[in-house]
Amino acid sequence: EVQLVESGGGLVQPGGSRTLSCAASGFTFSSYWMHWVRQAPGKGLVWVSRINSDGSSTPYADSVKGRFTISRDNAKNTLYLQMSSLRAEDTAVYYCVRDSKVARPGLDYWGQGTLVTVSS
Amino acid sequence: SYELSQPSSVSVSPGQTASITCSGDKLGDKYVCWYQQKPGQSPVLVIYEDTKRPSGIPERFSGSNSGNTATLTISGTQAMDEADYYCQAWDSSTGVFGTGTTVTVL
Repeated sequence: EVQLVESGGGLVQPGGSRTLSCAASGFTFSSYWMHWVRQAPGKGLVWVSRINSDGSSTPYADSVKGRFTISRDNAKNTLYLQMSSLRAEDTAVYYCVRDSKVARPGLDYWGQGTLVTVSS
Repeated sequence: SYELSQPSSVSVSPGQTASITCSGDKLGDKYVCWYQQKPGQSPVLVIYEDTKRPSGIPERFSGSNSGNTATLTISGTQAMDEADYYCQAWDSSTGVFGTGTTVTVL
């Protein structure tokens, strides 16, 4: 069974930093591209970033470019999102999402999400 | 940056057909996916590559995409289909989600 379990959310002060993790299991993690998608409370989905299988390609949404860094550790089956210079508008549930191989170009498995709240 | 627009809400009677549009510049040149999100849950992929259904998605869900508009159609809508729906496409390597549509089954 495919599982994606995010962790690392919590309350962060404006201007602060936070690193999110996503533990993957039930599939060959190193073979899949992975994404982070976020959703502010009561709002819609927003794509944040994507990383390819070996970590050599990492596009970002304009809203987080230069502040967020996506990375992965294929030996640990873990995806990361390092967030810095956090703003109130970064407050959201952050989902770890798998890029599908069968249903391309869809995103076929989503974690339950971890809430990041940026507030003083 | 690329944008996708959806109506904020659609209402449908049980058993009837619900149609949700997604508009974007030359959207027909891109593949569109659709996601269903129920309250308190993570999104679920219901349509990929404009028209295809992942395994386990009911046949009443169908999609189309041409010109500047993609459409998700729910035929014979059931109460369990009440949810938010998002279209999504790729602009170069950047992901773009639509603004989202709340489907209410009255």
